Amino acid sequence: DIVLTQSPGTLSLSPGERATLSCRASQTFSSKYLAWYQQKPGQAPRLLIYGAATRATGISGRFTGSGSGTDFTLTISRLEPEDFAVYYCQKYGTSPLTFGGGTRVEIK
Amino acid sequence: EVQLVESGGGVVRPGGSLRLACAASGFTFDDYGMSWVRQAPGKGLEWVSGINWNGAKKGYADSVRDQFTVSRDNAKNSLYLQMNSLRVEDTALYYCARGGFYSDSTAYIPHIDIWGKGTAVTVSS
Repeated sequence: DIVLTQSPGTLSLSPGERATLSCRASQTFSSKYLAWYQQKPGQAPRLLIYGAATRATGISGRFTGSGSGTDFTLTISRLEPEDFAVYYCQKYGTSPLTFGGGTRVEIK
Repeated sequence: EVQLVESGGGVVRPGGSLRLACAASGFTFDDYGMSWVRQAPGKGLEWVSGINWNGAKKGYADSVRDQFTVSRDNAKNSLYLQMNSLRVEDTALYYCARGGFYSDSTAYIPHIDIWGKGTAVTVSS
């Protein structure tokens, strides 16, 4: 099974700063099958990005996904107060689906 | 409005059983594969099981294979998860999710795009 490792575990930033989140896979797979989710406390996850770079419906242009092979990145261009949350990458396409361990973006 | 509503969670002793249900509305249920994803307290997300659009294909995480059984009733727009021989480590919030297993029109597993709010399962003596 493909293991996804996210880094850093926690990112401490101020509103207005740029956030760069990494997701590294244990083996290469098609970028068509990489998604990013945002989860706030007490809420279900929300789809942000699929196909490594396609924003889901209603997702702000502040969120950009990129990458291929084994290295994927989620960039939040200018952090807004509502962006402080935990972010997960996920590999789909084949079973089993796997999630990364998450990156917490917290207010500095 | 697209909606997934889970039910059936609760407190159960180790070795016990529970059956979770998920009621879907606002979309054509049998167009989609469906999944269960769980989240232990303070931990990350774990895909547990998926079922294709007509119930003919099923998939499980190694951690629950032979212990959990996923099923669906398209006439009732409902997804189920039968959980047997429950262990303390099965304690989690269980989310129903749209996607995450084969749909009626794809040869690959689509991403999860809609999540329910979850139902809590606590396994404790």
